[in-house]
Order: sequence, then C-alpha cells, then structure tokens
Amino acid sequence: NAGVTQTPKFQVLKTGQSMTLQCAQDMNHEYMSWYRQDPGMGLRLIHYSVGAGITDQGEVPNGYNVSRSTTEDFPLRLLSAAPSQTSVYFCASTSDRVNSPLHFGNGTRLTVT
Amino acid sequence: AQSVSQHNHHVILSEAASLELGCNYSYGGTVNLFWYVQYPGQHLQLLLKYFSGDPLVKGIKGFEAEFIKSKFSFNLRKPSVQWSDTAEYFCAVLTTSGTYKYIFGTGTRLKVLA
Repeated sequence: NAGVTQTPKFQVLKTGQSMTLQCAQDMNHEYMSWYRQDPGMGLRLIHYSVGAGITDQGEVPNGYNVSRSTTEDFPLRLLSAAPSQTSVYFCASTSDRVNSPLHFGNGTRLTVT
Repeated sequence: AQSVSQHNHHVILSEAASLELGCNYSYGGTVNLFWYVQYPGQHLQLLLKYFSGDPLVKGIKGFEAEFIKSKFSFNLRKPSVQWSDTAEYFCAVLTTSGTYKYIFGTGTRLKVLA
C-alpha cells in the first residue's frame, strides 16, 4: 500500500538550475496538491489539481509549474531555482477534498545554493 | 484575511503531564477542522477531524479536540502525554462555503521529556 510517493527525498541545486519533484499516488485520488513547509510559516499551498488536465495556483505559485496528465502523477517543476525556494516540499492527495483528509507524501528536502 | 493561529510555537512537557494546544481561525463561513501530526522525519498524518455533529471529537492515541464555534477555536487536548508524542502538531481549516481552501497553522513543536 504505497499511498503518496515523492522522489527524490533530498536534492541540492545551484541557483538557476531546474528540476522536477515527482509525486505519485496509487489511491485513485482526484485531488492532488503541493505544499512547501518553512519554519514558522506552516504549510503553504503552491499548486493544486482537482483532476487530470486541471491545475490551479495556490498562495505561493511563483517560480513553480505543474501539470496533471494522469490521475496518478502530479510533478512540480522548478523553472530556475532560487535560494528562496530552499524548503521541504510535500505532495498531498485526497479522494474528496471536502469530506476526506489529506494524505501526505514523505517530503522532499530541497536546498538551493 | 483567512488565517489559522497556533499561539504555542514550542511546548515542553514531562511525561504524564496534560496537554492543550490552542488553535483559532479567522473565517466567517462553514469549515471542516483538522489536526495533523508530524513525527520527526516523517510526513504529516491525520490525528483527528471535525466535520459536523458532536463538537468534541476523539482521535488516535488518546487525543481529542473541541470545536467551539463562538470562539472560532479547535483546541487539541491529551490528558497524559507520552515521550512518543514528541512531534509537531498542525491545525488546519478547510473552508467549505464558497471556495474550498485548506489553511494550515504554523505548527506547534511538542517535546515530551521522559
């Protein structure tokens, strides 16, 4: 029972590099989302998707892109990494974002130097 | 602006002490309420949730929370903490009138001393 799988677990980037954080879920959840967790700021929503082919911005979308070509996968792309994007990133999904809780992945710790 | 406040950022308790973590939110519409827990090195897991009905909800590991609508609060309680409760606790609100939006609090780090 894999749940929500995130890769990689750790990543170090240089400023200006690009990369993709992977997120996959095997629970057939329609709703998927990306959060970043920073000390003293809790979790902030970056992007979310309510189904394949549909994405929308959260509260901190700048510098990130997403796509949702399948129900299972929701990758997060950093276009040109900046030190301000150093954070822990969590992917979360749910079958029903109103009546069911979020299921979180184990997180990706990203450092941008 | 919609927000969730967790006033205790760091809490240190001895084993067997009682715990109460505060959570207040600012939103005038209907909400679903959650407490999530993040053990060291792990992902967030659901501790308990409130959607409707009895405002006193019980979750896993002996935790409970009470929704007081008039105070916009959803405080987390446990009568007797254990060393294994050392974790970070996040209160979250899902707005359910109008747009559906999750708002997380900034978290409370709990350390329980053996």
